Amino acid sequence: NAGVTQTPKFQVLKTGQSMTLQCAQDMNHNSMYWYRQDPGMGLRLIYYSASEGTTDKGEVPNGYNVSRLNKREFSLRLESAAPSQTSVYFCASSERLFYGYTFGSGTRLTVV
Amino acid sequence: KQEVTQIPAALSVPEGENLVLNCSFTDSAIYNLQWFRQDPGKGLTSLLLIQSSQREQTSGRLNASLDKSSGRSTLYIAASQPGDSATYLCAVRMNRDDKIIFGKGTRLHILP
Repeated sequence: NAGVTQTPKFQVLKTGQSMTLQCAQDMNHNSMYWYRQDPGMGLRLIYYSASEGTTDKGEVPNGYNVSRLNKREFSLRLESAAPSQTSVYFCASSERLFYGYTFGSGTRLTVV
Repeated sequence: KQEVTQIPAALSVPEGENLVLNCSFTDSAIYNLQWFRQDPGKGLTSLLLIQSSQREQTSGRLNASLDKSSGRSTLYIAASQPGDSATYLCAVRMNRDDKIIFGKGTRLHILP
C-alpha cells in the first residue's frame, strides 16, 4: 500500500525554468492538497482539490498552477521558478475535505 | 486571523520521562484539532484528531487534550523513548472556511 507518492524527491531549478511536481494516491481519496513547508513559516496550503474536476486556491497560490488529472493524480506546476519558491513541497490526500490527511514524503526544491 | 503557536520550538528530555507538548490557538471557533508527527526528511503522520466537542483522545502512550475555551491543546507522551524523537505539529480546522492552519511544530529529542 503506497499511500501518497510524490516525484521527484529532489530537484534543482534555475530561475525562470518550469517544472511539474507529480502526486498520486492509491487510497481512492476524494480530496488532494499541495502544501509548502518553509523554516519558521510552518505548512502553508498552495492549492487543493475537493474532488475530481475541481481545484481551489489556498493561502499562497501565486506562481503555481495545478491539475487534478483524475481521482488519483494531482500535479503542481511552476511556470517560471523563482528563488522564493525554494521549499519542501508536500502533497496530501483525504477521503473527506480537510479531514484525516495522508501525506507524501515531500519534494525538496531548490531554485538558484 | 487564526494563529497557532507551539512553544517551545525545541525540547530535549531523558528517555523514560513523561512530557507535555503545548499548542495554543487564538480563535476558538474550531471544528477539530489534529496532532501530527514529522520525522526528518519525511511527510507528516497523523497521530490524534480531537473534535471540538471532545476533551481528549488517547492512542497508546499518547494522550491529546483540548480546551477550546482557553485556546489550548496538549499532547502528553508517557514513558518517552528515543524513537519518539521527531517534530510534532498541531493543526486546527476552522468552522468558517474549513481551512486547516498548522503550527510551526516542536522539535523533540529524547536522550538515550
